[in-house]
Amino acid sequence: ETGVTQTPRHLVMGMTNKKSLKCEQHLGHNAMYWYKQSAKKPLELMFVYSLEERVENNSVPSRFSPECPNSSHLFLHLHTLQPEDSALYLCASSQAGRTGGVYEQYFGPGTRLTVT
Amino acid sequence: GQNIDQPTEMTATEGAIVQINCTYQTSGFNGLFWYQQHAGEAPTFLSYNVLDGLEEKGRFSSFLSRSKGYSYLLLKELQMKDSASYLCAVYGNTGKLIFGQGTTLQVKP
Repeated sequence: ETGVTQTPRHLVMGMTNKKSLKCEQHLGHNAMYWYKQSAKKPLELMFVYSLEERVENNSVPSRFSPECPNSSHLFLHLHTLQPEDSALYLCASSQAGRTGGVYEQYFGPGTRLTVT
Repeated sequence: GQNIDQPTEMTATEGAIVQINCTYQTSGFNGLFWYQQHAGEAPTFLSYNVLDGLEEKGRFSSFLSRSKGYSYLLLKELQMKDSASYLCAVYGNTGKLIFGQGTTLQVKP
């Protein structure tokens, strides 16, 4: 048990659907992340929320929209996705400091998304 | 640019020792992580190196040479449960963790 939970674990959606992925961390961390993991590719950072500020990866299409209502919860809202968006979406959390510092990230089990 | 290279696949025998290499080219360096990921599960933290040298944690050790942009993860006394993907990741000066594609290790009896 890593202290980071994600729901749902599996999701199949059509290209016209709207769905949301949820992540919750119980570790008292103040930074949360969304990653995309595709087969044979490195983990790709999508979004970061750190100390209530969002750091956005400019290469992420607007059909992915993050929301972080508080330091324990993170959502990824999905709409009009494409089949190539099918992947494992991982949430992670870590400590974060205003003066920098590097901390290990703790990952959730991921949501396996299939877009049909 | 940022680049992290690891072998795609490795095979080893139960009870043996295996070394998984990682080379990196990044803008700045603030530390290197190794994660283990079993199929269908979350990546879990194994080790962190920021200074040159060897860090030992039980059966697992990780080595770093900053001048060579090189690290390795050493797994001793391999067990079947060590079959997994091993991810190398580097913190550069972008404030983001950059991952390699991972090395899938298969341990055979």
